[in-house]
Amino acid sequence: DTAVSQTPKYLVTQMGNDKSIKCEQNLGHDTMYWYKQDSKKFLKIMFSYNNKELIINETVPNRFSPKSPDKAHLNLHINSLELGDSAVYFCASSQKRATNEKLFFGSGTQLSVL
Amino acid sequence: AQSVSQHNHHVILSEAASLELGCNYSYGGTVNLFWYVQYPGQHLQLLLKYFSGDPLVKGIKGFEAEFIKSKFSFNLRKPSVQWSDTAEYFCAVRLADSWGKLQFGAGTQVVVTP
Repeated sequence: DTAVSQTPKYLVTQMGNDKSIKCEQNLGHDTMYWYKQDSKKFLKIMFSYNNKELIINETVPNRFSPKSPDKAHLNLHINSLELGDSAVYFCASSQKRATNEKLFFGSGTQLSVL
Repeated sequence: AQSVSQHNHHVILSEAASLELGCNYSYGGTVNLFWYVQYPGQHLQLLLKYFSGDPLVKGIKGFEAEFIKSKFSFNLRKPSVQWSDTAEYFCAVRLADSWGKLQFGAGTQVVVTP
C-alpha cells in the first residue's frame, strides 16, 4: 500500500492552462506539505496544512492554491501556468506532535509547461 | 540568508569503499538536521536525524552522521558501501522552532559500482 500517493506522475501542458495535482496519504498523519524541486534539484517548501489549516505559506505566486478537503488530502491547483513552473512537485506528510517527526514523501509529479 | 550546501553533486565509488558526504548550513539559532535518501524509483525517505544530545547519530543501513556545531556541518558517512547504496542523498535543516519548514540541499547522486 502506498503511504503518500500523488497523481498524476507526469503532467505536460501548455502555458496559460490551469492544472491540479492531487495528493492523498493513508498514514493517519495530521500534516501535509507541498515541495517544489527545481532544475538544480533544490527542494523548497511551498505550503503546509495541519488539520486542514494552512500553517506554512512560503513566497509562492498566488497562481498556486492548495486545497485540503480533509486531513488525508492536499491538492495543488495551479492557474495560468508559466514556463518557470516546470519542476517536480512532491507531496509529503507527517504527524506534527510525534517524536519521530519524519516526513513521508510521495513519488513526485513531473510538470512540464510548454 | 539561510542555506544548505552539499559539496558534491556526484560521487562514484566502488563497493566496500568508504563514503563521506558533506553538508554545511547557514542558520542562526538551534537547528534540527536530517539526511534523506531517494533510491532509484522510490520515494524520499528519512535516513537519520539529529535534534540534540550525542552529535554522532546512527541511522539505518549502517549510515551515521556527525554534527559539528562549530563548523555548521552535518556530514554523512558509511565505512563500507554496497551496490544497494546507489541513490540520491539530501541533507535538510530547519530551525528548531520552525517546525515543518525543512530546507533541503541540492542533493548528491551516489553511484556504487560492483
